[in-house]
Amino acid sequence: DIQLTQSPSSMSASLGDRVSLTCQSSQGIGNYLSWYQHKPGKPPKPMIYYATNLADGVPSRFSGSRSGSDYSLTISSLESEDTAIYYCLQYDEYPYTFGAGTKLELK
Amino acid sequence: EVQLVESGGGLVQPGRSLKLSCAASGFTFSNYGMAWVCQAPTKGLEWVASISTGGGNTYYRDSVKGRFTISRDNAKNTLYLQMDSLRSEDTATYYCARQRSSGHFDYWGQGVMVTVSS
Repeated sequence: DIQLTQSPSSMSASLGDRVSLTCQSSQGIGNYLSWYQHKPGKPPKPMIYYATNLADGVPSRFSGSRSGSDYSLTISSLESEDTAIYYCLQYDEYPYTFGAGTKLELK
Repeated sequence: EVQLVESGGGLVQPGRSLKLSCAASGFTFSNYGMAWVCQAPTKGLEWVASISTGGGNTYYRDSVKGRFTISRDNAKNTLYLQMDSLRSEDTATYYCARQRSSGHFDYWGQGVMVTVSS
């Protein structure tokens, strides 16, 4: 199975900070990677699909990028509503796998 | 508006069965693959199973193969997850999700809780 390693597992940042979360794949998955924002009591919210495409309704401060087998989710200017757990998902092949998540908190 | 509404969760004893349903509306259900994703308490998200548009192709994570069955009724716009031989480790919130042709999940239901305990 493809393993996705997310780093850091948790982090805290200040309002207005630029924040980058990373997801590393154990094997090639092309651009078949998506990011989800998950808040307690809510369903996961799609943020990025196909590594770099912004999902519908997602603010433009969010972006996705890829460098080889490393994928990043970047928030250009952190807002309070961005505190959540962020998961990456590979959908290149079954079984689909999620990373363990990065918990993003406000400092 | 796309809506996915899960039902059928609850408390069940180990070894027993449960069937989850996901009622879809706001889109042409038969045009989309569908999936179930779960989250155990204090754990991360886990993909459980997926099904193709017509139901002819199904995929499962290893831990549920032979115990869970994903199915769909396109006439009723409903996705199902039959869960047999339940174990305590199956305790989780189960989400149904719409799957785009490329594979990613673009809409999610609110989730339904399944608790397996004696």
